[in-house]
Amino acid sequence: NAGVTQTPKFRVLKTGQSMTLLCAQDMNHEYMYWYRQDPGMGLRLIHYSVGEGTTAKGEVPDGYNVSRLKKQNFLLGLESAAPSQTSVYFCASSYSGTATNEKLFFGSGTQLSVL
Amino acid sequence: AQKITQTQPGMFVQEKEAVTLDCTYDTSDPSYGLFWYKQPSSGEMIFLIYQGSYDQQNATEGRYSLNFQKARKSANLVISASQLGDSAMYFCAMREGGYGQNFVFGPGTRLSVLP
Repeated sequence: NAGVTQTPKFRVLKTGQSMTLLCAQDMNHEYMYWYRQDPGMGLRLIHYSVGEGTTAKGEVPDGYNVSRLKKQNFLLGLESAAPSQTSVYFCASSYSGTATNEKLFFGSGTQLSVL
Repeated sequence: AQKITQTQPGMFVQEKEAVTLDCTYDTSDPSYGLFWYKQPSSGEMIFLIYQGSYDQQNATEGRYSLNFQKARKSANLVISASQLGDSAMYFCAMREGGYGQNFVFGPGTRLSVLP
């Protein structure tokens, strides 16, 4: 049971470089999310998707782009990395987002450092 | 405005004792769900317990129980008989009804269990 898989687990970038984080889920979930975790701030939503081909902005979308070309995959892109994007990134998924008891299933996280 | 407040950045508890982690929330939606997640030092997010806004009884899952006081908008996590393996970050989260993106997290409480 793979669940939610994120790659890579660690990455170091220089300011201005670009990269893509990949999230894959094998649970046939409709909803997928990207969060960032920073000390003292909990998890903040970057972007989310309610189904294949759809994306929407969350609380902190600036500097990030996403794509959901296939239902099982949700990509997070950084076009020009900045030190403020140093963080731990989590992908999550849920079967739907319309029921209040829908919990999130998380990937193992990506530690990103931007120098 | 902060939707989830966790006022205890850090807590200590003696092994085998009970501990309460505080969580207050803010919503005007009558339908919502409250969740607690555990994040050990390894980094993964582990779902612990769920409470629905219409649930009449407090949720319990093994050694975890949720002290739900709806009028006070409080959803405290109680861990009974603490174990060394309970040392972790604990996040309170809320999903409001009908909107997939409205899954918000508090800043977390770091619990340390002392031998």
